[in-house]
Amino acid sequence: GAVVSQHPSRVICKSGTSVKIECRSLDFQATTMFWYRQFPKQSLMLMATSNEGSKATYEQGVEKDKFLINHASLTLSTLTVTSAHPEDSSFYICSAREDGRGQLYEQYFGPGTRLTVT
Amino acid sequence: AQSVTQPDIHITVSEGASLELRCNYSYGATPYLFWYVQSPGQGLQLLLKYFSGDTLVQGIKGFEAEFKRSQSSFNLRKPSVHWSDAAEYFCAVGARAAGNKLTFGGGTRVLVKP
Repeated sequence: GAVVSQHPSRVICKSGTSVKIECRSLDFQATTMFWYRQFPKQSLMLMATSNEGSKATYEQGVEKDKFLINHASLTLSTLTVTSAHPEDSSFYICSAREDGRGQLYEQYFGPGTRLTVT
Repeated sequence: AQSVTQPDIHITVSEGASLELRCNYSYGATPYLFWYVQSPGQGLQLLLKYFSGDTLVQGIKGFEAEFKRSQSSFNLRKPSVHWSDAAEYFCAVGARAAGNKLTFGGGTRVLVKP
């Protein structure tokens, strides 16, 4: 149980275009999901907390207009990188916290999406 | 604000030898601590977690970790490593006061020699 999927796993886009990444909780409901960014050989940096039915909460330094987050249902959150530039190339990982569980702090991670902007 | 330090960036260990990965955290109250493993190009897999209770925590794949409040540490151990244990390991701390967000350490890359 507690599987999180991401789509696509890899995407290459041209500079100036937008790309959408989906994060789905497959067998549980998740009011809260998280989006992380990971540069090569570095740790995960939290970008934003995605809340179903409300606006996402962004971490300091993360551009809200560039990284659009939509949490449309209890099983789906999307991250759209708008007007992508080469410096946005990175590994994006989402995680989800299962609703109703006693251990509120456990997050289940997706497999990640490798974004390359040319 | 909470923080996590993993002092060792790389560790090389022979197959069959023991492994210990260090993790130190900074947080004012009782933290919630996690160890994750990441294979190249993959997401994170939870190895074990500590919320409360017994300070020696058993995880998957033969890993264990010990919470030592006096040392603000949560070191990960495995008695005998396998070649498949070669990966990146992340320690993370979560806290209710921080909105249940996780803060990750910098990671330790483990290389296993045959």
